[in-house]
Amino acid sequence: GESVGLHLPTLSVQEGDNSIINCAYSNSASDYFIWYKQESGKGPQFIIDIRSNMDKRQGQRVTVLLNKTVKHLSLQIAATQPGDSAVYFCAENPGNNDMRFGAGTRLTVKP
Amino acid sequence: DTEVTQTPKHLVMGMTNKKSLKCEQHMGHRAMYWYKQKAKKPPELMFVYSYEKLSINESVPSRFSPECPNSSLLNLHLHALQPEDSALYLCASSQERRVVDIQYFGAGTRLSVL
Repeated sequence: GESVGLHLPTLSVQEGDNSIINCAYSNSASDYFIWYKQESGKGPQFIIDIRSNMDKRQGQRVTVLLNKTVKHLSLQIAATQPGDSAVYFCAENPGNNDMRFGAGTRLTVKP
Repeated sequence: DTEVTQTPKHLVMGMTNKKSLKCEQHMGHRAMYWYKQKAKKPPELMFVYSYEKLSINESVPSRFSPECPNSSLLNLHLHALQPEDSALYLCASSQERRVVDIQYFGAGTRLSVL
């Protein structure tokens, strides 16, 4: 079936640098996307969401970009900090609020 | 307050035991979810409750039995589990299933089946 996937399973960045985590989706019916952060021993924590009628949405230090033409989603983290180290999941929602998660990317921030 | 509380945090059980996982939210959400997450994998949807009624059962074995006693509580009853059922079990809630919206997750119950 259609699924959500990520280009890179791991990402290592220097503290203070910007991070970009990518996600490809294939369900053209999906109209809502969420990025979650999951730290070790914790449940997924909401970071930012975007609806399909938008191309970009900004939060505090985070930006999500949506390219519907190529079915691509990215999460940009500005000035990455050690506390940003976690696994990041993108999740898609085809309209019935049944979230489908991508494989996840582990972000490691080096001091 | 966007808190979803799950108990217990850790659970070890034998294959003949019966146990229950509990989930509670006080955000007035009317949709609640159970997910299973294996190590280094994304969460996988198991069950969806909407207005205390089971909406979705993602082909989950009958040894997992969900229950929604009221709009704030969600239980997952476990019986005759297998070692491969060891995983992190996550509960989530959202305003309504019909409304595409954020799902808020609890910290999970880490289950080990011996």
